Amino acid sequence: GENVEQHPSTLSVQEGDSAVIKCTYSDSASNYFPWYKQELGKRPQLIIDIRSNVGEKKDQRIAVTLNKTAKHFSLHITETQPEDSAVYFCANKFYFGSGTKLNVKP
Amino acid sequence: GAGVSQSPSNKVTEKGKDVELRCDPISGHTALYWYRQRLGQGLEFLIYFQGNSAPDKSGLPSDRFSAERTGESVSTLTIQRTQQEDSAVYLCASSQLFNSPLHFGNGTRLTVT
Repeated sequence: GENVEQHPSTLSVQEGDSAVIKCTYSDSASNYFPWYKQELGKRPQLIIDIRSNVGEKKDQRIAVTLNKTAKHFSLHITETQPEDSAVYFCANKFYFGSGTKLNVKP
Repeated sequence: GAGVSQSPSNKVTEKGKDVELRCDPISGHTALYWYRQRLGQGLEFLIYFQGNSAPDKSGLPSDRFSAERTGESVSTLTIQRTQQEDSAVYLCASSQLFNSPLHFGNGTRLTVT
């Protein structure tokens, strides 16, 4: 996307390990930071989001952290499972990051 | 409570023909977005509509691409004089407001031969 950079582009982990994906953005006025999961051949779906008035949000095995000073936000997946294998996208305004292909090896 | 609906789901067209893609957003969603996703690639922003405001067309790749939306209802994306590089999945999404979760349709897979 024009104003959001995402890393890494691919990530391979062993089942049970943690995975972290990071995005940086440029607009300091941004206040909404979502993450989407896209399984092969399917539409992207929101998995978690955070607003700028909080620094961290958790939902079971996934969490998002936000550092407004550094202008980056990260997706954390703990105890990864094979069904977590997918492409993950961060977004800022209507721009999406380039995606991270996560492969969880059984 | 139907989701975002796109039609057709698949479209095969000859190079040089015009195509029209349709998106029915979730009722009550004021914001509507179009994206292009080439095979194995990310989501390329095309255009954004918010209520009755002027759309943000900054992502349209050329003047062959245009889109319309009447109020907060259906949107159509038109590609004129299609080229092979237009082959992709075109995804539509809607959201209740700007800066709220996007709900995507299943997309239209466009193949230009």
